[in-house]
Order: sequence, then structure tokens, then C-alpha cells
Amino acid sequence: GQSLEQPSEVTAVEGAIVQINCTYQTSGFYGLSWYQQHDGGAPTFLSYNALDGLEETGRFSSFLSRSDSYGYLLLQELQMKDSASYFCAVRDRGATNKLIFGTGTLLAVQP
Amino acid sequence: EAGVVQSPRYKIIEKKQPVAFWCNPISGHNTLYWYRQNLGQGPELLIRYENEEAVDDSQLPKDRFSAERLKGVDSTLKIQPAELGDSAVYLCASSVNRVSENIQYFGAGTRLSVL
Repeated sequence: GQSLEQPSEVTAVEGAIVQINCTYQTSGFYGLSWYQQHDGGAPTFLSYNALDGLEETGRFSSFLSRSDSYGYLLLQELQMKDSASYFCAVRDRGATNKLIFGTGTLLAVQP
Repeated sequence: EAGVVQSPRYKIIEKKQPVAFWCNPISGHNTLYWYRQNLGQGPELLIRYENEEAVDDSQLPKDRFSAERLKGVDSTLKIQPAELGDSAVYLCASSVNRVSENIQYFGAGTRLSVL
């Protein structure tokens, strides 16, 4: 089976850089995704790492290291609107191929 | 382009009552998913459709939950009868196909409260 662990809460100030970690235990997966969810809103796709390394999309970057069973989401130049929950997710390589989400990290950006 | 549309946004019912949720995926998306999200948790898959065929319903409590996707477009998820533990947000998502399953587009969800 799969399990993904994230810190429950992270606090940072506007303009800062924050890293949200995701560690996982899995028997096999296709890649690591990140989703953002504002309170009461829909989860929104942010990034996907199919291979090890860093993927950059504007202020957001995501990293994957399969050998370390570890990934992270890096948010730069934080803005108040970045306050939200962030979920990592892996697509199971098993029979179901389903997307399995982590427990989520609540990011609070302070002025 | 319209996103995934769900209705209703909120539903309050008493236990043992039936309830139904509706989802209209993004046009052209063949794969549709229903998730349940409990407070403070990530979404958990209930059922996945490829066109009109349910390809993974292993997590769907079949004694009380049912779903359908007629004509491979809109979908409904039903609970009958509802229990207190069913209170959660029910999310619908779609993707172009299973190959692009890592990138899913979610609706805003239906927040169900069972009293």
C-alpha cells in the first residue's frame, strides 16, 4: 500500500520562501503531483514530477527523489493568496492505478 | 472552458434519508472520479469511470452508495440511507483519460452534513 506524510501546518511571511515536504512509503508509483486547495474550494493541480529532479512553474517548484522516497513543493515570493492547503499525491502502480493523496499541509502566510 | 460543475454545493439531511450529488465533467474528459474528503484530510477515491464504465469501485460502500454515469458524461452519486459518518465533502474530478490521471480537474464539491 501507499502512505504519504506531510507536515500538518506551516507558517511563513509574505515575500518569503517556504518548502513543504512529502515523504512516502510505496511499492511503486508513476510520479508525484501537488495540488492546492483553498478553504471551501476545489483542489487545483500545481505540478507533476514524473522523474527525479526539479520542475519549475513560475513561483512554484517541485522536487522528487525516488531513492530517498521524498519530494517537496517550494513556494517563492509568498503572497497572501498562497494561504491554502497543499496536498502531495502519487499514482499507484498497482492494480488500481489510483491517485492517493497525502494528509495535506495548511500554509498560513502572514503579512 | 467551463470547469467541473457540481451541485448542490451544500446539503443538510437527517440520518436515514437519501441524498444525491450531480457532476458535469469538463467536455471531452473521458475519465471521471468521485472522491470523499473528510475534514483535515486528503481526498479519497470512491469510484472511477472510464466513459460509462466503472473501472474501480473498490472503495465504494456498496451497501448504501451507488453511482452511475449514463452516456459517459454526467454522473450522479447517491447515498441511501445516509449515516452520520457520511458527513464530508464529496468531490468530483475529471481527466482527459487514464494516462493523464496525475492531472485531475476538480469541482468545488458538495458539502454534506448528516444530522
